[in-house]
Amino acid sequence: GENVEQHPSTLSVQEGDSAVIKCTYSDSASNYFPWYKQELGKRPQLIIDIRSNVGEKKDQRIAVTLNKTAKHFSLHITETQPEDSAVYFCAAIRGGADGLTFGKGTHLIIQP
Amino acid sequence: DTGVSQDPRHKITKRGQNVTFRCDPISEHNRLYWYRQTLGQGPEFLTYFQNEAQLEKSRLLSDRFSAERPKGSFSTLEIQRTEQGDSAMYLCASSLAPRGELFFGEGSRLTVL
Repeated sequence: GENVEQHPSTLSVQEGDSAVIKCTYSDSASNYFPWYKQELGKRPQLIIDIRSNVGEKKDQRIAVTLNKTAKHFSLHITETQPEDSAVYFCAAIRGGADGLTFGKGTHLIIQP
Repeated sequence: DTGVSQDPRHKITKRGQNVTFRCDPISEHNRLYWYRQTLGQGPEFLTYFQNEAQLEKSRLLSDRFSAERPKGSFSTLEIQRTEQGDSAMYLCASSLAPRGELFFGEGSRLTVL
């Protein structure tokens, strides 16, 4: 089955700086890669996703890049703000399957 | 509230007891998922329904776990003969499209003593 590795497990950045979280996946048939944000004690919520026919997608301060050859994808957050503090999970799913495989999460801390 | 709702939010039980969780998805969503999340980990896929049909089950779902979605609306997840290792947050999610956004509920936290 699919295996998703996520790094780093904790990331601390100064407010206003950029943050990058990286994930690798094992199944070359995976074709959908969402990112979820989970604030403390709350439910995970989708922030951005990318499909395998696209190399990059951007939504305001958030962007995701995908390298199918290397089987890795990354989340980029620019101009970080205190409300960006949360745990971020990457996920992947292969064609024909329905259950997402999530990474272990990155705890992003925005330092004032 | 038109989001995904789960009940109960918290359940404390003794080892060996049976527990049942209920999930009410967003009404127009025909796809329903159960995930399990432990502290410091990402959600782990357990099972998936499209309408009332259970289409996929993870290897994580031992024979002590059973899930149903009898009328294609709400779903239940039952754990029989609970073990301490079953302690986790059980998350339900629903979606409209095969590769679409998952809308998660607040979760049902299980503690097995």
